[in-house]
Amino acid sequence: GAVVSQHPSRVICKSGTSVKIECRSLDFQATTMFWYRQFPKQSLMLMATSNEGSKATYEQGVEKDKFLINHASLTLSTLTVTSAHPEDSSFYICSATRGDNQPQHFGDGTRLSIL
Amino acid sequence: DAKTTQPPSMDCAEGRAANLPCNHSTISGNEYVYWYRQIHSQGPQYIIHGLKNNETNEMASLIITEDRKSSTLILPHATLRDTAVYYCIVSRGAQKLVFGQGTRLTINP
Repeated sequence: GAVVSQHPSRVICKSGTSVKIECRSLDFQATTMFWYRQFPKQSLMLMATSNEGSKATYEQGVEKDKFLINHASLTLSTLTVTSAHPEDSSFYICSATRGDNQPQHFGDGTRLSIL
Repeated sequence: DAKTTQPPSMDCAEGRAANLPCNHSTISGNEYVYWYRQIHSQGPQYIIHGLKNNETNEMASLIITEDRKSSTLILPHATLRDTAVYYCIVSRGAQKLVFGQGTRLTINP
């Protein structure tokens, strides 16, 4: 149990394009979903916390107008990287949890490459 | 959230038990100890978590000291597929996991 699906797994696109990444909890209802970013040879960094039906909470230094997060249901959250530039190239990973004291379960990540 | 300290790397022979230590001396009473691992180019995988009692599941065992200031993750019979970066994280519930650099565990044949 506790499967989180992330799509797409890899995206290559031109600078200025907007890219949408989906994160789904397949076999449980996720009260909270999280979005992380990981640059090469670095650890995961939390970008934002998303609760169903409410606005996402962004970490310091993460632009909310650049990284749009929608959490429309208990099983789906989306991250849209707007007007992506080469410096946005990274490994984006989502996670989902049933609630307090329950572990986060992670998707397999989306490798975004902006040319 | 409390910070953790882990050795940057460890080696273990295939078939032997891998014991990964973690120090979390500033852990507070309501913080859990979580262990995750990340195999190259994949999302982190949940392994196990605990509050103060030792825990065991099909993947590993978690031993937490009585004062809760440190813990050890035990992989009882390590295989080559256990080669990964292992993260020890303390957190209140499952909120806001702060990933450190973890321990890069290499299982040798």
